[in-house]
Amino acid sequence: QVQLVQSGAEVKKPGASVKVSCKASGYTFTNYYLHWVRQAPGQGLEWMGIINPSAGSTNYAQKLQGRVTMTRDTSTSTVYMELSSLTSEDTAVYYCARNSGTYDDFDYWGQGTLVTVSS
Amino acid sequence: SYELTQPPSVSVSPGQTARITCSGDALPKHYAYWYLQRPGQAPVLVIYKDNERPSGIPERFSGSSSGTTVTLTISGVQAEDEADYYCQSADSSGTWVFGGGTKLTVL
Repeated sequence: QVQLVQSGAEVKKPGASVKVSCKASGYTFTNYYLHWVRQAPGQGLEWMGIINPSAGSTNYAQKLQGRVTMTRDTSTSTVYMELSSLTSEDTAVYYCARNSGTYDDFDYWGQGTLVTVSS
Repeated sequence: SYELTQPPSVSVSPGQTARITCSGDALPKHYAYWYLQRPGQAPVLVIYKDNERPSGIPERFSGSSSGTTVTLTISGVQAEDEADYYCQSADSSGTWVFGGGTKLTVL
C-alpha cells in the first residue's frame, strides 16, 4: 500500500533552517510527482511547491522563492523540503502529498511534521 | 496570483443537505478537487475532476461545476461529516492553489 512517512517534529530558532523528509513506499517512486503543503495553526492549506522525483526538477510557490529547496534521493525513495531564514510565521504542520499522476489532485498524504519556530 | 474563494462556514442539521461553494476565475478551464480534513489529521480527497468520487468515499458526497463556481454537495449529512473542507485547483503556470477552507458544522 502507498505510504508517505515523514520525519519528526522540529523546534527551530528564528533565522535557522529546517529540513523535513518524506519517505515513499508501496509504489514506483519516480513515477509520481510529490508536493509540499503546509498549514499554520488554525489556518488553511498552503501549497509550497512540487518536485519531479525522476528528473529532480522543481517549481516553487512564488511567496517562498529563494527560501525553499526541494530535493530527492532516488536510492531511498525520499524527498526533502528545506526552508531557510525561518520566522514565527513558518510555524506550521508540513505535509508531503503525492500527485495522482492523472489529474492535479493529491491522492496520498504524509502524516504531517510540526515545525515550531520560537526563540 | 490565482485565488479560490470559499465561505468560512456552513451549518446543517443531520440528514439535511450541505452545499459548499468554491469560486475562481480559472475554474472553467481547470478541474477542481475537494478534500475533507478532520482535526489533527491529514486531508482526504473526496472529489476529483470536478465531480468524480474516489473509491471508498460515500455516495452522499458529490461535486458539480458551473462557470467559475464549483460546489461540493453532501446529501444526508451525518455527524461524522463535520470537518473542514478545502477546494483545490491548478493553473497553467504549474501552480497549485487551495481555497481558504470551509468549516462544516453539523448542528
